[in-house]
Order: sequence, then C-alpha cells, then structure tokens
Amino acid sequence: GDSVTQMEGPVTLSEEAFLTINCTYTATGYPSLFWYVQYPGEGLQLLLKATKADDKGSNKGFEATYRKETTSFHLEKGSVQVSDSAVYFCALRGANSKLTFGKGITLSVRP
Amino acid sequence: GAGVSQSPRYKVAKRGQDVALRCDPISGHVSLFWYQQALGQGPEFLTYFQNEAQLDKSGLPSDRFFAERPEGSVSTLKIQRTQQEDSAVYLCASSSYFTDEKLFFGSGTQLSVL
Repeated sequence: GDSVTQMEGPVTLSEEAFLTINCTYTATGYPSLFWYVQYPGEGLQLLLKATKADDKGSNKGFEATYRKETTSFHLEKGSVQVSDSAVYFCALRGANSKLTFGKGITLSVRP
Repeated sequence: GAGVSQSPRYKVAKRGQDVALRCDPISGHVSLFWYQQALGQGPEFLTYFQNEAQLDKSGLPSDRFFAERPEGSVSTLKIQRTQQEDSAVYLCASSSYFTDEKLFFGSGTQLSVL
C-alpha cells in the first residue's frame, strides 16, 4: 500500500539557518505529493503541493520538488524564521484518492 | 464560520462509555473526511462523505466506530464502548469536491479514554 517516510525529529535550528526535511514515498501509479503544516494551536493546513514528476511546489519561502526517480519530496527553506516553528507532515494522494501522511516532524526555530 | 469547526475540543471518557464528536465543515463543501491521529503519528484515514453519502469507510478500525452526515453538512463520528486504544486526536477535513486536493482541516477533538 501507499506509505510516506519522514526523517526523524525533532529539528532545532537558529533563525536564518537553512532547512531540509526529508520525505520519501511508496505508491503505485503517479501520486500527488503535499506538505502540510500545523502551527501551535491550529489545524493542519496545506503548505505546498506538486502533482507530477519534476514539478516544484512553493509557498512562504518553502520549496519541494517531486523527484520520481528517487521517490522523494524533500522540503527546503533557505532562511527559517521563528514563525516557521510548527509540525510538518509530508503526504501523498494515490490511486485510491485518500491522503496518506507521514509521521510528522517538529521544527523549532530559535531567535 | 470561516473554517472547519470541531467540538468538543477535548473529551475525557471512561472506558466503555459512548462518545460523539461533531464536525461543522466549511459551508458548501461537498466532501468531508475523518482522520485519527495517535500521539506522535501522522493522521490516518477513517472515512469520507460526499454530501450525505458515505463513500468509503474502509479506515474505521472496528464496528464500534460509526459516522454519519445525514443532511450533507454537519457530521458526527460516534465511538461506542470506548477503549484506551481509541485515545487520539480526531480530525475532520472538508473540501469543495472530492477531486479537490486542498483539504481544510479543523483543530481536532482530543479524546482521552481512561
């Protein structure tokens, strides 16, 4: 079945540091890929998405590129801010049209 | 309201008790999803509705779990004879169409079964 694997956390960075959060997936066919973010006290919200190979999703300075050859969708940001502190979930939507999530990773950014 | 609303925000139940969790989706959203999120895990699919029709309930863990959306708007997730392993955050999400890949999530109901 479909699955998503995220790197182990938590991750703590200083403000303006570079961020990479790894995500790999297993799915049949051609899934759509997503990053969702959950800020403290709020619901999950879509951060960015990519629907086909080599697409790059971007939002709020975050980027992720759909790499079919490595079945990956790593999240990157060049300069993190304190306000980026949240839990980040990688997810895919496969042939069965359901969202499958990774375990999530907590990011804390220090001033 | 502007977003997906879930109530109660927190629920403590004694083992064996029945509970009902409510979800108010965004007005006009056709599709509604329920997810279960255990501590330290990602959300896991439970069931979804398109209007009032429950089109997929394959993720419901047992027949103690039941969901309904009788008028195609508000949905209720009911858990009968709760057990400790039911303790989790229950998330509701809605979208304009089933094929709409942007889901809007509520803040969830945190259920603790003692």
